[in-house]
Amino acid sequence: EVQVVESGGGLILPGGSLRLSCEASLFNVNRNYMIWVRQAPGKGLERVSVTNLGGVTYYGDSVKGRFTVSRDNSKNTMYLQMDGLRVEDTAVYYCARVYARSYSPLWYMDAWGKGTTVTVSS
Amino acid sequence: QSALTQPASLSGSPGQSITISCTGTSSDVGAYNLVSWYQHRPGEAPKLMIYEGSKRPLGVSSRFSGSRSGNTASLTVSGLQADDEADYYCCSYAGSSTVLFGGGTKLTVL
Repeated sequence: EVQVVESGGGLILPGGSLRLSCEASLFNVNRNYMIWVRQAPGKGLERVSVTNLGGVTYYGDSVKGRFTVSRDNSKNTMYLQMDGLRVEDTAVYYCARVYARSYSPLWYMDAWGKGTTVTVSS
Repeated sequence: QSALTQPASLSGSPGQSITISCTGTSSDVGAYNLVSWYQHRPGEAPKLMIYEGSKRPLGVSSRFSGSRSGNTASLTVSGLQADDEADYYCCSYAGSSTVLFGGGTKLTVL
């Protein structure tokens, strides 16, 4: 069964940086569309970023210019580098695979992790 | 782009049917038949329940069904069971490699 596992969350001061990891099993992150989604306390799901097959990443307005996605093919891992963290970035962060057929995304997520918690607080 | 609109909460008794609505616009739900639904319990990974509006992944009970009319998608859960109690989120493609989520619906089985 394909799966992803997130890690790297923690408690960080406002203005600080954190890097989250998303390790995939039984599929290649560089041959799939991948998404980061977050859920703030008491809130719904929010798209953070979508990365396409070519490695181009589209960011949500709330994180644009502060967050950066990268991939390490040798480790089959996607990363979310979060800089300039704000209190409102506090959330559980999930990564997921966007299912594709013949390399065309069908825009549903078929493999999710359990998430990693990021708390931004002084 | 705003989040899709879902009722914050719904409840039903075992055996009953409930329908969760997900209202978007002509730029997302109404434009693409690419609505998916996820079941989410605290501390767990979200689980795909419906994709492409009405298709069920292998292993998902036939009690779950999806539909779309205009700018509104719906998830129906028939024959409610205690195990169905969870948060449910809709998601729609919105163009330009963007997806929008609904605010989530907390389903309580009485």
